[in-house]
Amino acid sequence: GQNIDQPTEMTATEGAIVQINCTYQTSGFNGLFWYQQHAGEAPTFLSYNVLDGLEEKGRFSSFLSRSKGYSYLLLKELQMKDSASYLCAGGGTALIFGKGTTLSVSS
Amino acid sequence: DVKVTQSSRYLVKRTGEKVFLECVQDMDHENMFWYRQDPGLGLRLIYFSYDVKMKEKGDIPEGYSVSREKKERFSLILESASTNQTSMYLCASSKSGDAEAFFGQGTRLTVV
Repeated sequence: GQNIDQPTEMTATEGAIVQINCTYQTSGFNGLFWYQQHAGEAPTFLSYNVLDGLEEKGRFSSFLSRSKGYSYLLLKELQMKDSASYLCAGGGTALIFGKGTTLSVSS
Repeated sequence: DVKVTQSSRYLVKRTGEKVFLECVQDMDHENMFWYRQDPGLGLRLIYFSYDVKMKEKGDIPEGYSVSREKKERFSLILESASTNQTSMYLCASSKSGDAEAFFGQGTRLTVV
């Protein structure tokens, strides 16, 4: 079976750093994705890890450990516009999503 | 830019009606997907298609069917709509061998 777990909600303040964790138990995943979804909008791609290690892309970084079934998304220098849901997803032909983490950034 | 277009942003249908949700992508992607998104449950895969006329059940196919007669178009069909199918429906597409999915804007369906 496939199972992806991530925290339901997180809060942080502007300028801070936040780490959103994701654990998964599955087989057949070709990689781990992170998507961002603002309220009322479609999910948009943030990052993709297929190998172990850290991928950095501006203020956002994503980490994967395949042996531990673990990933995290790191957001630095938080801005108000980063308030959104962050979805962890495992990829084969079809992406299977976690339930999402709603991040609220306050001033 | 990849564009995935869903025919309606909002839809209200009556219980028992047959409902068609249409999705078109313009990037020649082989794979297309239908998800529904509900509060507290996240995105759940209903059906996907990896080629014309091919379809695979996802995690929650009951009450739904799909049609892929052309590569660019993937339709989700609710044979007899029920109130528990009130949800946000999201279509997505991806290139074969590349799992990154591109999403449409979603159709918020209300069944009354």
